[in-house]
Amino acid sequence: DAGVIQSPRHEVTEMGQEVTLRCKPISGHDYLFWYRQTMMRGLELLIYFNNNVPIDDSGMPEDRFSAKMPNASFSTLKIQPSEPRDSAVYFCASSFDRVGAGELFFGEGSRLTVL
Amino acid sequence: DAKTTQPNSMESNEEEPVHLPCNHSTISGTDYIHWYRQLPSQGPEYVIHGLTSNVNNRMASLAIAEDRKSSTLILHRATLRDAAVYYCILRVTGTASKLTFGTGTRLQVTL
Repeated sequence: DAGVIQSPRHEVTEMGQEVTLRCKPISGHDYLFWYRQTMMRGLELLIYFNNNVPIDDSGMPEDRFSAKMPNASFSTLKIQPSEPRDSAVYFCASSFDRVGAGELFFGEGSRLTVL
Repeated sequence: DAKTTQPNSMESNEEEPVHLPCNHSTISGTDYIHWYRQLPSQGPEYVIHGLTSNVNNRMASLAIAEDRKSSTLILHRATLRDAAVYYCILRVTGTASKLTFGTGTRLQVTL
């Protein structure tokens, strides 16, 4: 199994540009999570999906952020317009839940730098 | 969500056992105790989890206090590759797998 695959691994963009981060979860997993990690705030859960449906997006910082999961094998996190404070490492994770016991498998992350 | 408290950092010598403590005094009866670790420049990875009984796997052991208000992750023989940030997390059942990370314990392993 290839694990959770994220792209791009690194993205450098200018303020105001649109950024799209992509994630392919592990086949058969029914949960997908987007996390953001910064030195100041640590690992923050942004949004998660169950069977392609968003369950909790309370961690999404503001309307500039949006996430979609059009099918079981693909999700995107979009930032439009991007700002320097969005610079962070964005992780995608997937899991097959077993009543709170299922483990999360994380991708290697997408490091975003907004100039 | 019930919170966990961990020391900010710990040090260990290579080949020695390491006991990483976690306090979770407000844990509820159905919360699972999960441990993840994050190696430098990588995403977090699952280490172990438990509910009431002590657990062992190839990576570590988890000792859970009888009142479940604390737990200890045990690395039996630390290696340099175990240097990471270790997160103790309560996974609340009924909230569909939500996993909220705290600040964790940064483990340094020296020769």
